[in-house]
Amino acid sequence: AQSVTQPDIHITVSEGASLELRCNYSYGATPYLFWYVQSPGQGLQLLLKYFSGDTLVQGIKGFEAEFKRSQSSFNLRKPSVHWSDAAEYFCDVGGITGNQFYFGTGTSLTVIP
Amino acid sequence: EAQVTQNPRYLITVTGKKLTVTCSQNMNHEYMSWYRQDPGLGLRQIYYSMNVEVTDKGDVPEGYKVSRKEKRNFPLILESPSPNQTSLYFCASSFRAPITSGGALADTQYFGPGTRLTVL
Repeated sequence: AQSVTQPDIHITVSEGASLELRCNYSYGATPYLFWYVQSPGQGLQLLLKYFSGDTLVQGIKGFEAEFKRSQSSFNLRKPSVHWSDAAEYFCDVGGITGNQFYFGTGTSLTVIP
Repeated sequence: EAQVTQNPRYLITVTGKKLTVTCSQNMNHEYMSWYRQDPGLGLRQIYYSMNVEVTDKGDVPEGYKVSRKEKRNFPLILESPSPNQTSLYFCASSFRAPITSGGALADTQYFGPGTRLTVL
């Protein structure tokens, strides 16, 4: 079965520190890859997406992600985390089978002063 | 303002009492979808619709129905709700579906604010 894995359920970082959230998927070809952020009590907002081309993509709020085909990964990064980045982050994959999207289980980010 | 709206935002009901959660988008999107979000499970797709009168099952369709009679609306129907359907529900829409053939590309999904449903 196709799957999307976010191995880190919860991450705590200090404000100003760097951040990397991991996402792996199981699929032979290159799917369409997305990262969404969900603030408490809110819906999901797109941070960035990858379809093809340059494997390093820039998103909103200073986030970037790198697609690594050999590792089937699409990790999200930010060089310096702000307190307002505390939220839940979801990796999403489309174009694997049929017309469905598949989400990871999410990573909850806590930012400490 | 481009948006996806859901109603109601909060609902407490009892087992077996039919309910409908409405979803509407004003972006002329073809693709619409329903998800449920549960702790530790992320978002799981319930049903999706490629266009008017075209719907299909996602990963967790049991106990749910949908219809797509108009492009902008995609209601989620629970004919006989049960406690295991207590969850946070999100509607989403997208200009295109995430298909791999035909040269079309998957597109960003726009999410509604969510509906928190409790079934007693």
